[in-house]
Amino acid sequence: GAVVSQHPSRVICKSGTSVKIECRSLDFQATTMFWYRQFPKQSLMLMATSNEGSKATYEQGVEKDKFLINHASLTLSTLTVTSAHPEDSSFYICSAPLEQNNYGYTFGSGTRLTVV
Amino acid sequence: RKEVEQDPGPFNVPEGATVAFNCTYSNSASQSFFWYRQDCRKEPKLLMSVYSSGNEDGRFTAQLNRASQYISLLIRDSKLSDSATYLCVVNTGGFKTIFGAGTRLFVKA
Repeated sequence: GAVVSQHPSRVICKSGTSVKIECRSLDFQATTMFWYRQFPKQSLMLMATSNEGSKATYEQGVEKDKFLINHASLTLSTLTVTSAHPEDSSFYICSAPLEQNNYGYTFGSGTRLTVV
Repeated sequence: RKEVEQDPGPFNVPEGATVAFNCTYSNSASQSFFWYRQDCRKEPKLLMSVYSSGNEDGRFTAQLNRASQYISLLIRDSKLSDSATYLCVVNTGGFKTIFGAGTRLFVKA
């Protein structure tokens, strides 16, 4: 089945540094990738939608200059958390639609970011 | 009102029990509906899509009631391995997808 590979699975970084998270579609082309953030015991919150070859669309309240998204190819989307702070510590997860929405979405395995 | 609402639980049930989760959505134009399962500190995994006619997959049955704008998930003969958080997911058109906060299920021996 369709697989999205997400790396790293876990990262601890110092406050003020930047962290890049990669999501790759392994056996299909993902023209669209979604980036979510999930805080403990809360639902997944959509941060942005990345589209291959165009600028990402950010949800209200998400700082585009802080969360840089690049969809460089049909199989790779990256999220860079710039100048990370402890409040950015969260579970970040990407997903790609399988086919026209009716077949659900496939998720990356998630990245647990801890900013110290 | 949240766009997708679920009872957060937790539901604590013994093995073999039948348990039902409900989810309500506010956008009457919603088009696609799913149940996902999420284990602790893991990514969500698609459990099943939900169709107007209702659908069943083994011990799991999903129902959609468009008039009342709710979907349900029934788990029969609960197993220990069913312990997880169950997410109600609603697509409101295009790629606009809303996740419920999830319902936690604990199945005990």
